[in-house]
Amino acid sequence: RKEVEQDPGPFNVPEGATVAFNCTYSNSASQSFFWYRQDCRKEPKLLMSVYSSGNEDGRFTAQLNRASQYISLLIRDSKLSDSATYLCVVRPNDYKLSFGAGTTVTVRA
Amino acid sequence: EAQVTQNPRYLITVTGKKLTVTCSQNMNHEYMSWYRQDPGLGLRQIYYSMNVEVTDKGDVPEGYKVSRKEKRNFPLILESPSPNQTSLYFCASTLGMGTEAFFGQGTRLTVV
Repeated sequence: RKEVEQDPGPFNVPEGATVAFNCTYSNSASQSFFWYRQDCRKEPKLLMSVYSSGNEDGRFTAQLNRASQYISLLIRDSKLSDSATYLCVVRPNDYKLSFGAGTTVTVRA
Repeated sequence: EAQVTQNPRYLITVTGKKLTVTCSQNMNHEYMSWYRQDPGLGLRQIYYSMNVEVTDKGDVPEGYKVSRKEKRNFPLILESPSPNQTSLYFCASTLGMGTEAFFGQGTRLTVV
């Protein structure tokens, strides 16, 4: 079983729509959780950290459900510039980051 | 400007010809890692380093070597590359593992 699993998509949505997707992780001892964004095989960049209480950054909202071991990301009012692959990242121990394979989002005009 | 620099960005080589991919960071980070990214598999950790002269294997270390003689540099060495090492490679550095990881721009390696 993969340590982090994501729906690969693609999610194809019109501008202004809301899109949401999840990832699940296998290690219940995982300590930190993140969403990274990757554009067209360029380097991943941190979108936001995910906290137990849930957190919001502008149009982006992240939720963590430790009991069910899943993390979600919701994008409101989608922009063309939100088209990217979103990587779910989990820290299972002090020296490792485990990456999901990514969820591809395409926002169309 | 805070950055992680990898070189080369693109490399085509032949099976068995030793190569080194360099990685350098200017943020004085202690932790550095190498990942490879393959379609459908996500980023997988090859090796990581907690500090100078301290390195350890990640999930897919076979066929790779690393060294950490200076804090800023963490080269990836392929002693005898094989076609199954064709991949997109990223170097990353972090201040601590719970914090943001900064990635280099990637090295697209093709072994023929």
